[in-house]
Amino acid sequence: EVQLVESGGGLVKPGGSLRLSCAASGFTFSSYSMNWVRQAPGKGLEWVSSISSSSSYIYYADSVKGRFTISRDNAKNSLYLQMNSLRAEDTAVYYCARDPGDYDPPYWGQGTLVTVSS
Amino acid sequence: EIVMTQSPATLSVSPGERATLSCRASQSVSSNLAWYQQKPGQAPRLLIYGASTRATGIPARFSGSGSGTEFTLTISSLQSEDFAVYYCQQYNNWPPENTFGQGTKLEIK
Repeated sequence: EVQLVESGGGLVKPGGSLRLSCAASGFTFSSYSMNWVRQAPGKGLEWVSSISSSSSYIYYADSVKGRFTISRDNAKNSLYLQMNSLRAEDTAVYYCARDPGDYDPPYWGQGTLVTVSS
Repeated sequence: EIVMTQSPATLSVSPGERATLSCRASQSVSSNLAWYQQKPGQAPRLLIYGASTRATGIPARFSGSGSGTEFTLTISSLQSEDFAVYYCQQYNNWPPENTFGQGTKLEIK
């Protein structure tokens, strides 16, 4: 069974940092591109960042470029999001999401809440 | 860049009736489209992928159709638990910038 479990969320002051983790299981992690998606309170879904299977390609939404860093450790089946210079508008539930394969679906975790407030 | 547009923003339907939700892509995404259901306080739940394949455990009353730029999610006979927000997502282009529609809220009439 595919599982994605996020951790690392919490309350942080503006300007602070936080590192999110996503532990993957039930599939060959090193074969799939991975993503972070967020959802601010009462808002829709927003793509944040993507990383290819071997970390060769990395992309960010303009809203987080230069502040967030996505990475992965295929040996540990883990995805990360280092978030620096956090702003109030970064407050959201952050989801780890696996890309679909040729014949298998996308998968999402249950999310971790990040609150940026003084 | 691809823009995904869902309509309507809000749909009011009575239990037992049919609901039809639309998603339009600004350029072709082939059949690389997924539909999600989201209830308050919960993560999005995958309903449909590949435009028309039901995810594991999804009831047969949910069906997806379309390809290219026009897609439809149909719920054949609404149950009380179906009232939620529905999102479409394209995954034809990578990275998936602007990958999500803005959502359709399905409410009880």
